[in-house]
Amino acid sequence: DAEITQSPRHKITETGRQVTLACHQTWNHNNMFWYRQDLGHGLRLIHYSYGVQDTNKGEVSDGYSVSRSNTEDLPLTLESAASSQTSVYFCASSESRFSETQYFGPGTRLLVL
Amino acid sequence: QQQVKQSPQSLIVQKGGIPIINCAYENTAFDYFPWYQQFPGKGPALLIAIRPDVSEKKEGRFTISFNKSAKQFSLHIMDSQPGDSATYFCAAKMSPNFGNEKLTFGTGTRLTIIP
Repeated sequence: DAEITQSPRHKITETGRQVTLACHQTWNHNNMFWYRQDLGHGLRLIHYSYGVQDTNKGEVSDGYSVSRSNTEDLPLTLESAASSQTSVYFCASSESRFSETQYFGPGTRLLVL
Repeated sequence: QQQVKQSPQSLIVQKGGIPIINCAYENTAFDYFPWYQQFPGKGPALLIAIRPDVSEKKEGRFTISFNKSAKQFSLHIMDSQPGDSATYFCAAKMSPNFGNEKLTFGTGTRLTIIP
């Protein structure tokens, strides 16, 4: 069955380190999204992509970057991890720009010490 | 600026009761309003959605009520069960004609159904 996976599921890192979170989907969806989930803030969009080589900033993009070299993957990189980036990160995908349903991965819990 | 305001932040209801979660939006360009359900340790999943051309939509025990003039919509869960205990997010999305396919989420409501 097609699915969306994230790895690792849990990660502990130190302040200042570079961290990359992986997201892989097998639906061949054009759109992919990264969110962070924090209590009291809900889901906030970090970066998104509408296709290969396309990336766009969301509302909380500072300190994060993404690249889209193929349809299946959208890795999220924290350039220099900060304690404020401790959060649960969700990747999502949708079929196309006119698709309304987003399908979410299981999440990555990141702790920055 | 929070474009979708959700309340309450948490809600405890007895089994069989009807929890109601409310959301309000500001941007009149929104034309799609989904609700996502999230169980602990899982990603959110689409539960039910509505467009502003109807005032109500039902799917099983879940109902969305929509008030376009007040720019408000709400989720009702009939005959609630302990298995409905989860976090619920409302969201809103603009028409693709605006070139903006992003979902704007509310802050979430943690619902607990007690036996």
